[in-house]
Amino acid sequence: DTGVSQNPRHKITKRGQNVTFRCDPISEHNRLYWYRQTLGQGPEFLTYFQNEAQLEKSRLLSDRFSAERPKGSFSTLEIQRTEQGDSAMYLCASSLVTDTQYFGPGTRLTVL
Amino acid sequence: RKEVEQDPGPFNVPEGATVAFNCTYSNSASQSFFWYRQDCRKEPKLLMSVYSSGNEDGRFTAQLNRASQYISLLIRDSKLSDSATYLCVVNGPTNAGNMLTFGGGTRLMVKP
Repeated sequence: DTGVSQNPRHKITKRGQNVTFRCDPISEHNRLYWYRQTLGQGPEFLTYFQNEAQLEKSRLLSDRFSAERPKGSFSTLEIQRTEQGDSAMYLCASSLVTDTQYFGPGTRLTVL
Repeated sequence: RKEVEQDPGPFNVPEGATVAFNCTYSNSASQSFFWYRQDCRKEPKLLMSVYSSGNEDGRFTAQLNRASQYISLLIRDSKLSDSATYLCVVNGPTNAGNMLTFGGGTRLMVKP
């Protein structure tokens, strides 16, 4: 299966800890997106990369959040000093330029 | 006001029924429109794009009214497997990077 993959699928952490998620996009997709989804809501855009360049960040992406895509392939999303309000599903998507976005299965974060 | 608004439902319909979902969006500069389907605890998957002339894919028909900033999805002959949350999606608001803005979703439950 060459779809978008995300690891870990689930993460439980204590408030104040740092967490890092990984996304492997569909190969050859040069765009990679991060979204966050809370229960009963649609996904909300966080940030996106074209190749290794981070081109846009949402106001939702506070300074505790950082994302990288160092070689233009996989991406990581790190949350520092987690808060209970960070509990959500973190979704990664990839696409070719202006094409359909394909989503990964998500990483479900629970902050205790 | 949310950028993309949907009736959250749930819509409870019997098998074989026809059901329609509506959605309004606030950014008149939006360029692309989609319906995504999301099963419980799964990632969103593209159901269909929505074109100005209206388009059909099997039992599904999508319509777009740019003047009213209104999008609809019609499902005919509902199947049990259609039970899911349907997300209305537009690109933007900046149209940069093909960022998607999601509505909160409309939940459909098809019963025998």
